[in-house]
Amino acid sequence: SQTIHQWPATLVQPVGSPLSLECTVEGTSNPNLYWYRQAAGRGLQLLFYSVGIGQISSEVPQNLSASRPQDRQFILSSKKLLLSDSGFYLCAWSVPGQGHEQYFGPGTRLTVT
Amino acid sequence: AQSVTQLDSQVPVFEEAPVELRCNYSSSVSVYLFWYVQYPNQGLQLLLKYLSGSTLVKSINGFEAEFNKSQTSFHLRKPSVHISDTAEYFCAVNTISGGYNKLIFGAGTRLAVHP
Repeated sequence: SQTIHQWPATLVQPVGSPLSLECTVEGTSNPNLYWYRQAAGRGLQLLFYSVGIGQISSEVPQNLSASRPQDRQFILSSKKLLLSDSGFYLCAWSVPGQGHEQYFGPGTRLTVT
Repeated sequence: AQSVTQLDSQVPVFEEAPVELRCNYSSSVSVYLFWYVQYPNQGLQLLLKYLSGSTLVKSINGFEAEFNKSQTSFHLRKPSVHISDTAEYFCAVNTISGGYNKLIFGAGTRLAVHP
């Protein structure tokens, strides 16, 4: 069966510090991968999606970036965090061309102080 | 562009009462629709989905949703809720953008079940 992992589970970082969040998927090959942000009391905002290694599409302009160095690894990064980057970050995967549903990881709670 | 509207941000209800969480979407093409549930500090779990076929879809824990094309709705219902159903519920619609499938989410409805 497929599983998706995210770490760390929680993170507190000062403004201006770098960020690296990691997501890995097991039990499937060549998944579509997604990064979402959920601000407090709000819905999900799609940040990035990837259909393959090195292929990243950005949905909104921001100071975050994403990379996909391996087929089942998706990384969210920032060089300098802003207060507005605080939120709950969710990684998700889907099977290309089938069903269209997405499966979510447990999330990372980021607090920028 | 496709969009999803969840008409209620919060729905309080007593245990064992029925509940309906409303969802409307805008789309000019065939749609795939989903309901996800999120418990506090957890990721989203797929609750049920409509891809094709029967317009009434059901989950294993008693929820059901009906796809109504004329009303562009996909409301979620449960005839008798439990305390454990307290969570946030998100409606989503599939869209194709830039040649890729994506999900557009509603803002969510917080269901609070009281004893």
